[in-house]
Amino acid sequence: KAGVTQTPRYLIKTRGQQVTLSCSPISGHRSVSWYQQTPGQGLQFLFEYFSETQRNKGNFPGRFSGRQFSNSRSEMNVSTLELGDSALYLCASSSGLAGLSSYNEQFFGPGTRLTVL
Amino acid sequence: DQQVKQNSPSLSVQEGRISILNCDYTNSMFDYFLWYKKYPAEGPTFLISISSIKDKNEDGRFTVFLNKSAKHLSLHIVPSQPGDSAVYFCAASEEGYNFNKFYFGSGTKLNVKP
Repeated sequence: KAGVTQTPRYLIKTRGQQVTLSCSPISGHRSVSWYQQTPGQGLQFLFEYFSETQRNKGNFPGRFSGRQFSNSRSEMNVSTLELGDSALYLCASSSGLAGLSSYNEQFFGPGTRLTVL
Repeated sequence: DQQVKQNSPSLSVQEGRISILNCDYTNSMFDYFLWYKKYPAEGPTFLISISSIKDKNEDGRFTVFLNKSAKHLSLHIVPSQPGDSAVYFCAASEEGYNFNKFYFGSGTKLNVKP
């Protein structure tokens, strides 16, 4: 079974630009969550998509948005990039089925390292 | 506001000894907790979890303890091996509608010395 894939793996942008990151979940998984990892802050939850709908949202500004396609692939977009957006962006897939968290182990991709200059 | 905190950014342990990683949380609604392990250039991988109805869960060398009254959980690794050297994250979530929204700590970097 193929794991979670994220593209691109590395990205360098300048302030003010916008960026789109992509995540392909494990086959059969319908939930994709996005996290931002920065030194000292750990992983911070951005949002979760399930069946093409945003189901959960973290406390990030509206510059951060996402979407999910019918094949469960997800994209995350950051507009008007700021220096502080430099981070590792991780996506995680799970079955996302309603029920206990214990039924929804999350599998993470390797991440996209975004550097904003 | 960090709802899940790992106050020790790093821990160094001798091979064969016990490693104890700690995690505190502030939200009393959290009732499911997990530990993840992360190697450089890889995404986190699930290690072990515990539900709030238990106070201990064991899986091989890894044991997680939960103290709900203190809002504290810990991960014990016995015996520690050099391959355990990685960053460990604890995470928490609430059951119910937000069950797939996880709050992570900032991580503890474990170094197991041969």
